[in-house]
Amino acid sequence: EAGVAQSPRYKIIEKRQSVAFWCNPISGHATLYWYQQILGQGPKLLIQFQNNGVVDDSQLPKDRFSAERLKGVDSTLKIQPAKLEDSAVYLCASSSLDRGPVNYGYTFGSGTRLTVV
Amino acid sequence: QQQVKQSPQSLIVQKGGISIINCAYENTAFDYFPWYQQFPGKGPALLIAIRPDVSEKKEGRFTISFNKSAKQFSLHIMDSQPGDSATYFCAAFSRAANNLFFGTGTRLTVIP
Repeated sequence: EAGVAQSPRYKIIEKRQSVAFWCNPISGHATLYWYQQILGQGPKLLIQFQNNGVVDDSQLPKDRFSAERLKGVDSTLKIQPAKLEDSAVYLCASSSLDRGPVNYGYTFGSGTRLTVV
Repeated sequence: QQQVKQSPQSLIVQKGGISIINCAYENTAFDYFPWYQQFPGKGPALLIAIRPDVSEKKEGRFTISFNKSAKQFSLHIMDSQPGDSATYFCAAFSRAANNLFFGTGTRLTVIP
């Protein structure tokens, strides 16, 4: 099966600019996650979608970050305006609980590396 | 609050040696404890995972040891190889939240 696709791979912007990331999950995966991974740290959940509804966005800085998942498939994550501390890798993952407990089917994309200067 | 604590931050092991990474968790409601391997420029990839009703799970050179009473689990990599050089993350999965909580990561370097 095809993996989780993300674009762009790299992005460099100036602070206060806006940026958008795109994610295409594995076909049939109902759950989609956006994680922020700051250099040297583990991924931190920003937002979780179940189909096209938001399940958890408690860690999303809503004053500057927004995300949507139209039609329950692709998703976009936007930052506006960006700050220096937003420099990180933004990972998208998708999962299917239908696989059962052996593997909750979390598959990560390769991420988008954002540098804010 | 860091729900999963991981150590060491970095680890250097000779080829053929044993790499050991330790994790501890706070929440007893976690359902599943996976380990992820991440190479530079790639997303984390599932390596091996264990349920809390099992004390040990082995897959090839990789073994998870799980101590439920101590709320600790560890990854052992036997006969470590240079190709194992990567960052390893422990994690805890909450089925109720359908969410993974990651440790801070261990950068493993295996010296030839």
